Amino acid sequence: AQSVTQLGSHVSVSEGALVLLRCNYSSSVPPYLFWYVQYPNQGLQLLLKYTSAATLVKGINGFEAEFKKSETSFHLTKPSAHMSDAAEYFCAVTEGDSWGKLQFGAGTQVVVTP
Amino acid sequence: EAQVTQNPRYLITVTGKKLTVTCSQNMNHEYMSWYRQDPGLGLRQIYYSMNVEVTDKGDVPEGYKVSRKEKRNFPLILESPSPNQTSLYFCASRSQGLGYEQYFGPGTRLTVT
Repeated sequence: AQSVTQLGSHVSVSEGALVLLRCNYSSSVPPYLFWYVQYPNQGLQLLLKYTSAATLVKGINGFEAEFKKSETSFHLTKPSAHMSDAAEYFCAVTEGDSWGKLQFGAGTQVVVTP
Repeated sequence: EAQVTQNPRYLITVTGKKLTVTCSQNMNHEYMSWYRQDPGLGLRQIYYSMNVEVTDKGDVPEGYKVSRKEKRNFPLILESPSPNQTSLYFCASRSQGLGYEQYFGPGTRLTVT
């Protein structure tokens, strides 16, 4: 069975500082991994996804994530936070079949301070 | 524009009064799903559908029904809503196949008093 753990329900970063959101997964088969962002009063938008190609994945808005199989991790980073990055971020995993169920983490709320 | 739409966006109702939340997608996706979002719990799957007339339970199906009579529509039905179904609901769709991401609707905020 698959599961996702996001470390830290709330993260506060200064504008211009590194954003690091942690995600660890468990999966019995090679996983597909996703990061979604949810801005206030909106639905979820895909930031990036890992589908067994390059382990370093680049997404939208300057975000990237690295798949580390040995650590079962898929942490999300952005070198320099912007005020517009304030949102909730969700890590999700699905196992490798055509109808793979998407399992979400509990989410991390990011606050960006001036 | 490719999108998933949901209606209504906001709904306040009373215990026991049947309601339906509609969901429609224009991307010809086979797979559709309903989630509820609650603070500290992330998104939990309620029901999903792999194609027309094919539906199955997710993690939290109690108190909900769905139907898939057309490929583009996947309504969520609460026949007798209760206060513990107060939540933010999302519909999503995706193509069949490995690694395809889900596209989410804007959400429906439901309050049951």
